Amino acid sequence: QSALTQPASVSGSPGRSITISCTGTSNDVGVYNYVSWYQQHPGKAPKLMIYDVNKRPSGVSNRFSGSKSGNTASLTISGLQAEDEADYYCSSYTSSSTLVFGGGTKLTVL
Amino acid sequence: QVQLVQSGPEVKKPGASVKVSCKASGYTFTSYGITWVRQAPGQGLEWMGWISAYNGNTNYAQNLQGRLTMTTDTSTSTAYMELRSLTSDDTAVYSCAKGGSGWLHAGLDVWGQGTTVTVSS
Repeated sequence: QSALTQPASVSGSPGRSITISCTGTSNDVGVYNYVSWYQQHPGKAPKLMIYDVNKRPSGVSNRFSGSKSGNTASLTISGLQAEDEADYYCSSYTSSSTLVFGGGTKLTVL
Repeated sequence: QVQLVQSGPEVKKPGASVKVSCKASGYTFTSYGITWVRQAPGQGLEWMGWISAYNGNTNYAQNLQGRLTMTTDTSTSTAYMELRSLTSDDTAVYSCAKGGSGWLHAGLDVWGQGTTVTVSS
């Protein structure tokens, strides 16, 4: 199972919005609404930000939103803040009854 | 509060095995699955596998089949991950994570602190 494809890096200025893409195939992202997004600060455990494509766990800011179109899922962060600077990973359930992660995207807040 | 506490760091020689524990508290252990994820130094997250704490059913990543065993002890609410025939490529931080439901596809809402496994001769 190949990793989902994410851009290596994205950047944005405070207060602006950014979107991170996550491209899979018709065996994972394209066929299941089981995409999750995780935020990971250096040396810390990942934190669940979005699950089931567009659902936010309790306590996660509504500045974070998820969507999907075809084989590509997206995470949008609006009103960028310095604390949003981190690595972001997507994951998807697959037709092989496994999970697959994306390669990760480093977000820099300028 | 809900938490997962993992065992301490390990240093192993090539060819050896490692067994990492993950003790759960603050929730009904058998109602959720446990996923194991590893992260090599400077690399991304890699899904290793999942175990249902309800019935012990497992799903493993294809590249680890034959070397990986996941188990649970419901009497102590503890999950275990054993990886055999270690090589230097297995050097990584190994983490357990609780699913948001009993299904494999559930988002991972609580993570352990991670266990560093170093494989070196």
